[in-house]
Formats: sequence, structure tokens, C-alpha cells
Amino acid sequence: GNSVTQMEGPVTLSEEAFLTINCTYTATGYPSLFWYVQYPGEGLQLLLKATKADDKGSNKGFEATYRKETTSFHLEKGSVQVSDSAVYFCALSDSGNQFYFGTGTSLTVIP
Amino acid sequence: NAGVMQNPRHLVRRRGQEARLRCSPMKGHSHVYWYRQLPEEGLKFMVYLQKENIIDESGMPKERFSAEFPKEGPSILRIQQVVRGDSAAYFCASSQQRDLGNYGYTFGSGTRLTVV
Repeated sequence: GNSVTQMEGPVTLSEEAFLTINCTYTATGYPSLFWYVQYPGEGLQLLLKATKADDKGSNKGFEATYRKETTSFHLEKGSVQVSDSAVYFCALSDSGNQFYFGTGTSLTVIP
Repeated sequence: NAGVMQNPRHLVRRRGQEARLRCSPMKGHSHVYWYRQLPEEGLKFMVYLQKENIIDESGMPKERFSAEFPKEGPSILRIQQVVRGDSAAYFCASSQQRDLGNYGYTFGSGTRLTVV
């Protein structure tokens, strides 16, 4: 079946540090991969996506590359800001009726 | 163009009462999905609906939970005889296209249900 595994949190970084949040997946076929961000008290917002192997999704300085050989979709940002503090969810869609979400990684950026 | 609207934002119910959660999809979106987020967990799929039809309810608990999306009005997630384990955040999402792999969802801000 389909599943997503994310690195455990919480993650605490100083402003301007480099961020990596690991995400690996298990899926049949060729899923699309997504990162969603959830700010406190709010719903999930789409951050970026990639629909096929070797695609790179990017948005707001965040990037993730769809690696089929390692079944990974790690999220990276070169220099985090306090405003990036949130919970980040990796997800996949196999074009069925649902998304499969990881458990989320909480990020806190301190000034 | 308003996003996905959920209400109420917070709902407190005593054990045994009924909870009704409402979701109005984005304008032009005819596909609605409900997810539940338990504390310290990711989102779990519950049900997928189109107008007047339940397409996939494979994630819904077999008892006490029901969902509808009438021709007019919002989608409703109904939980009868709530128990403490129902305490969670319930998120609604909508999409314009059936092809989630390319288009993804737009989520509402959620309803946080607390059962006391």
C-alpha cells in the first residue's frame, strides 16, 4: 500500500540556517509528491509539488526533488526565517481518491 | 474568491451529543474531501464526495459517522453520540478537477472538535 514517512520533529533552527526535512515514500506505480505547510491554527497550504521522477518543485525558497531511485522527496531551504515556523507535511497522490500524508515535522526558527 | 470555508472553527460537545461540521468548497469546486487529524498524527482520509454522491467512504468509521454533500448548501460531516476519541481537527478540502495528482487540494482552516 501507499505510505509516507517523515523525519521526526520537532526541529529547531536559528534564523538563516539550512533546512532539510526528510521524506520517503512507498507507493505502487508513479505517484505525485507534495509538501504542505500548516501554520498555527490554520489549514494546510500547498507549498510545492512534483509529478514525475527527477522533477524539482520549488516555492518561497523551498525546494524538493522527486527521487525515484531512493523513493525520496526531501524538503530543503537554504536560509530559514522566523516566519517559516510551522508544521510541514509530505504527501503523495496515486491519482486515486485520497492523499497519503506523513505525520508532519514541526519547525521552529529562532531569531 | 473565498477559499474553502469551514464552520465552526471550534466545537465543544459532551459525550453522547451530536457534532455537525460544515464545509463550503471553493467556488467552482465540485469535489469535497474530509480528513481527520488526531493529536500528533498526520491527516487521515475519511470520505470523498461530489454533489449528492458519496464516491469513496473507505476511511470513515463504520458507526456514528456520516457525510453528505447536498445539491444546495455545504457538505456536512455528522458524528453521532460523540466519544472522547473523536476529539480531533477535521479538515475539509476541495478540488476542481478529479486528477489530484496534478491539481492537489485547497484546504479549509478546519474544525477543532473537543469532546468533554
